Amino acid sequence: QKEVEQNSGPLSVPEGAIASLNCTYSDRGSQSFFWYRQYSGKSPELIMSIYSNGDKEDGRFTAQLNKASQYVSLLIRDSQPSDSATYLCAVSPMNRDDKIIFGKGTRLHILP
Amino acid sequence: EAGVVQSPRYKIIEKKQPVAFWCNPISGHNTLYWYLQNLGQGPELLIRYENEEAVDDSQLPKDRFSAERLKGVDSTLKIQPAELGDSAVYLCASSLGGGGWYEQFFGPGTRLTVL
Repeated sequence: QKEVEQNSGPLSVPEGAIASLNCTYSDRGSQSFFWYRQYSGKSPELIMSIYSNGDKEDGRFTAQLNKASQYVSLLIRDSQPSDSATYLCAVSPMNRDDKIIFGKGTRLHILP
Repeated sequence: EAGVVQSPRYKIIEKKQPVAFWCNPISGHNTLYWYLQNLGQGPELLIRYENEEAVDDSQLPKDRFSAERLKGVDSTLKIQPAELGDSAVYLCASSLGGGGWYEQFFGPGTRLTVL
């Protein structure tokens, strides 16, 4: 059973601080990794994809991937109240015909 | 560029009634997905289409659920008859290519309530 694990939270972070969201996965052959943001009552919105080890930065967001440790994280710098949402980690397998697996998400609350 | 379109946005029905959801993917996206999302859970795949072919429907409860994508563009997901446990958000997503390697973009979803 391929699994993607996230701490459900809530993770409370003061406004302006760095929010760190973590995700581990069980399939060592996983190839692609995605972070989605989901506001309450809304659908998931893709914010970052990462495919190789290391860091990938996009504005205030940085995705970090460590395939050896089977770990992917999302850092949000200068956190804003509008960042308060649930963040879903999604992992795709080595076999491109297999489905993507979503974690249950981490609820992030930015404290004004 | 228009995103994934879904309708209706909300649907309330009584158990044993039929219900249908419609999805139009992003233009040029050959792959279309139907997901189910329960509260506090991540989306779970029901069915994936590559053009008009259903290539992964292993999680679709075929006794009551059916789906079609006749011309390889828009798609319909149907439940007949609906049960109380079908209350959830039904999400449609699309991507340029198939499998899990391509970025998937979600529509707004349909929130189904079965009474």
